[in-house]
Amino acid sequence: GESVGLHLPTLSVQEGDNSIINCAYSNSASDYFIWYKQESGKGPQFIIDIRSNMDKRQGQRVTVLLNKTVKHLSLQIAATQPGDSAVYFCVSGGSQGNLIFGKGTKLSVKP
Amino acid sequence: EAQVTQNPRYLITVTGKKLTVTCSQNMNHEYMSWYRQDPGLGLRQIYYSMNVEVTDKGDVPEGYKVSRKEKRNFPLILESPSPNQTSLYFCASSRAAFTDTQYFGPGTRLTVL
Repeated sequence: GESVGLHLPTLSVQEGDNSIINCAYSNSASDYFIWYKQESGKGPQFIIDIRSNMDKRQGQRVTVLLNKTVKHLSLQIAATQPGDSAVYFCVSGGSQGNLIFGKGTKLSVKP
Repeated sequence: EAQVTQNPRYLITVTGKKLTVTCSQNMNHEYMSWYRQDPGLGLRQIYYSMNVEVTDKGDVPEGYKVSRKEKRNFPLILESPSPNQTSLYFCASSRAAFTDTQYFGPGTRLTVL
């Protein structure tokens, strides 16, 4: 079946450094990808999205890169702050119209 | 304030006792969805609805029912809950199907004894 997987379940970075969270997806027909952030005790919060006709999209301190050739997605966070500590999920729009979540990467920011 | 609300936020029940978790959104969104979140498994979609009276199964629909009689409400029904349905449940909505930002509710933590 379709799947979305993150390369690392945990990532620890120093405050001020850049963070990169990677994700792989299996369905070549997926045409919409989203990154969510989930803080402890809260629901997922939208960070940034990208459609398959793009390979890069930038937001405030975040950049998403999409490589359709190898079915790889990444989230880059510039100048990581303690408030960025959370679990990050990559999500792909499945071929059936549903959303498929990856298992999440827990980002810890060291002061 | 634009939001997705869920009730109850916490529920402890016993095996076999029917329950309903309500979900409501005030953004006039067409698309609504239910997820369960379990440790090590991330979020898995249970059911989704493209519009009123239109519902479809997600990845893990067994043991659940939904209905979409009005645009703003999308209740999740467990006819005969079992312990393996103990989980954290999230409702979400968006303007359109998966090609739009989903807004999540605060979550409902369900324990089935």
